[in-house]
Order: sequence, then C-alpha cells, then structure tokens
Amino acid sequence: GENVEQHPSTLSVQEGDSAVIKCTYSDSASNYFPWYKQELGKRPQLIIDIRSNVGEKKDQRIAVTLNKTAKHFSLHITETQPEDSAVYFCAAFKAAGNKLTFGGGTRVLVKP
Amino acid sequence: DGGITQSPKYLFRKEGQNVTLSCEQNLNHDAMYWYRQDPGQGLRLIYYSQIVNDFQKGDIAEGYSVSREKKESFPLTVTSAQKNPTAFYLCASSIQGAQTNEKLFFGSGTQLSVL
Repeated sequence: GENVEQHPSTLSVQEGDSAVIKCTYSDSASNYFPWYKQELGKRPQLIIDIRSNVGEKKDQRIAVTLNKTAKHFSLHITETQPEDSAVYFCAAFKAAGNKLTFGGGTRVLVKP
Repeated sequence: DGGITQSPKYLFRKEGQNVTLSCEQNLNHDAMYWYRQDPGQGLRLIYYSQIVNDFQKGDIAEGYSVSREKKESFPLTVTSAQKNPTAFYLCASSIQGAQTNEKLFFGSGTQLSVL
C-alpha cells in the first residue's frame, strides 16, 4: 500500500520567516496530494491541494510543489504569522482504493 | 461548526468493555471514514464506507467494527479486542465523484481513554 513520510516532525520559525514541510510517497499511482491544517483542539481542514498533472500551486501565502519523478511534494508558507501555528498533514490519494494516506504530521510553531 | 458531528467529545473505556463512537453528517455525503490519531503518527484509516450497507477495512481495522445502516450515520465500535484504544478518533465524510471524493470534511473528534 501507499506510504507517506513527512519531515520535519516539528518546526519552529520566527514570525515573518518562511516554513517548508516536505513529504515523500511510495506509490507512483497516487494522483492527488492535499494538505490539512489542524489547529489546537480543532478538526483538520483542507488548506491547499495539488493534482499530479500540475507542478506547483499557490494560494496567497501558501504554495505546494510536486515532483512526480522523485515522488515528493512540499508545502511552503511565506511571511509566517502566529495564526499559522498548527499541525500540518500531507496526504496522498490513489483513485484505485479510494482512500487517503496521511503523513505523520508537522507541528509548526511561529514565534512572535 | 455544523455538517459532521461526533459524540461524545470524551469517552472512557473500562477493560473488557466495548464502546461506540457516534458520527453523524447532514452534508448528504456518500462516503464516510474513521481515522485514528496518535501523537506523532498522523492519521491512520480504520474503516471506510462508500455507500450505505457497505464498508471496507482500512489499515488498522483489527479490534474495531462499524455499520452503515443510514447514509447520515457511521458509528465505530471499539471492541475489547483492541488492546491499545487510547487515541483521538476522527470521523470524516466526502462526496463521491471524480475529483471530489478525495476532499475530506472532518468532525471535531472523540478522545478515548482507558480507565
């Protein structure tokens, strides 16, 4: 089955700096890669996603890049703010099987 | 936050006891999922259901059971066979269809602890 590795497990950045989270996946048939943000005590929520026919996608201060050949994708947060502090999960989806496999999560702390 | 509701928020299980976690959604979503969240281990899929009266095992189904008698409801039973049940349990749902069934909407979770 699919295996998704996520690094780092924790990330501390100064407010205004950038944060990068990296994920690798094992199954080349995976074709959809979402990122979820889980604030403390709250439910995970989808913040951005990318499909395998696209190399990069941006939404304001967040962007995701995908390298299909290397089977890795990354989340980039620019100009970090305290409200960016949360746990971020990457995931990979394969249509055959119809399920998401999540990475282990990255706890991001933005220091004011 | 409406749409998908989990109850209770906190649940305690005695040894040898079965407990049931509730998940209800009013989003008219076809697919529903149960995930287990342990610190540092991300979200692991327990069971999922794409239509009423049908469900499939996920990656860690042992010690758990589910039912899907109604589209709105997908309860999870943690049986006594699950030896390490302490975790945060998240229910999710999605719309069936191309390029929509991957987008999950999560409930607010149930924290299960063993007494």
